[in-house]
Amino acid sequence: GENVEQHPSTLSVQEGDSAVIKCTYSDSASNYFPWYKQELGKGPQLIIDIRSNVGEKKDQRIAVTLNKTAKHFSLHITETQPEDSAVYFCAADRDDKIIFGKGTRLHILP
Amino acid sequence: DVKVTQSSRYLVKRTGEKVFLECVQDMDHENMFWYRQDPGLGLRLIYFSYDVKMKEKGDIPEGYSVSREKKERFSLILESASTNQTSMYLCASSFKGGRGYNEQFFGPGTRLTVL
Repeated sequence: GENVEQHPSTLSVQEGDSAVIKCTYSDSASNYFPWYKQELGKGPQLIIDIRSNVGEKKDQRIAVTLNKTAKHFSLHITETQPEDSAVYFCAADRDDKIIFGKGTRLHILP
Repeated sequence: DVKVTQSSRYLVKRTGEKVFLECVQDMDHENMFWYRQDPGLGLRLIYFSYDVKMKEKGDIPEGYSVSREKKERFSLILESASTNQTSMYLCASSFKGGRGYNEQFFGPGTRLTVL
């Protein structure tokens, strides 16, 4: 079955710098890769997703890249702000479900 | 605004008690999911349902059961709670769409402590 590995588990960046979170997956049949953000005391919320027919997608300060050959995908956050502090989860689809990575806790330092 | 609600934010139970966690969604979604979230382990799927009265085991179903009598409601049941079931429980729902789909909407979670 699908296995999703996520790195790093914790990331601290200076406010205004960029943050990158990387994931790998095992099932070559996966073609949907969402990213969720979980703020303190809340459930995860979708922030961006990418499907296998594109290599990159951007939404303001957030971008995702996908390399299907290498089976890895990444989340890039530019010009980080305090409100970006949260736990981020990558995921990949498996049948009608999605399999989550273990999460990255992102700290934005003042 | 789409909404998934969970019956309790915090719950404390004793070992051996039967525990019900309720989840309701107002988006007419076919799919509903129960996850548990533990530090360092991410989100692990316990059970899911694609339709009323239908259920499927996820990756960690042992010690749990579910009930889906109505489309909008999905209940997670701990028949006899144990201390290793102390965790954050998250409910989610989505439209039915097959592979390659679909945004899941999460509730705020229930933090369950079993003493």
